[in-house]
Amino acid sequence: NAGVTQTPKFQVLKTGQSMTLQCAQDMNHEYMSWYRQDPGMGLRLIHYSVGAGITDQGEVPNGYNVSRSTTEDFPLRLLSAAPSQTSVYFCASSAGNNEQFFGPGTRLTVL
Amino acid sequence: SQQGEEDPQALSIQEGENATMNCSYKTSINNLQWYRQNSGRGLVHLILIRSNEREKHSGRLRVTLDTSKKSSSLLITASRAADTASYFCATLGGNNRLAFGKGNQVVVIP
Repeated sequence: NAGVTQTPKFQVLKTGQSMTLQCAQDMNHEYMSWYRQDPGMGLRLIHYSVGAGITDQGEVPNGYNVSRSTTEDFPLRLLSAAPSQTSVYFCASSAGNNEQFFGPGTRLTVL
Repeated sequence: SQQGEEDPQALSIQEGENATMNCSYKTSINNLQWYRQNSGRGLVHLILIRSNEREKHSGRLRVTLDTSKKSSSLLITASRAADTASYFCATLGGNNRLAFGKGNQVVVIP
């Protein structure tokens, strides 16, 4: 099993550009989440999903969209990138309310 | 808002010593989890303790949970240089959301 995969590993955007961070898991997990990690802030939940077709907002959802059309994939869309979205983004999946499996992260810089 | 808050934030110890980290939270939880993050990597799950459990062991890890004080502790015994990492507690509430603390940096000096 590949576990949780994320692409790209690194990305540089200009302010106002849009992009999609990809996340996929091959463990048939129902739950998937997106977090951002900033220095001194720990991980903050952006959006999460408890199953295909179901998504909900987390702590910091503004400026991000998600969809969950399949169990495996949970892409995160930045609609119009801003410097405040410079961060490291982690995707995670879990089987219910149990341990979460994290991807390797995407380092995003918005100029 | 951040649920878990770890204390202390940074810890430097000699190899072979024990490392203890504490975590406090504010609302009721279903379970509390501890994760490790090595520099530049994703988080790795260490141990999960449910709200009706008081203590749990996994190898050199010991976790306690005191729901009356809304606090948990993680003890790493006989630390090794490879234990150098950041450690995060995370609480799962009734809303299915996992809320992370800001993390503890642990440096184990060989």
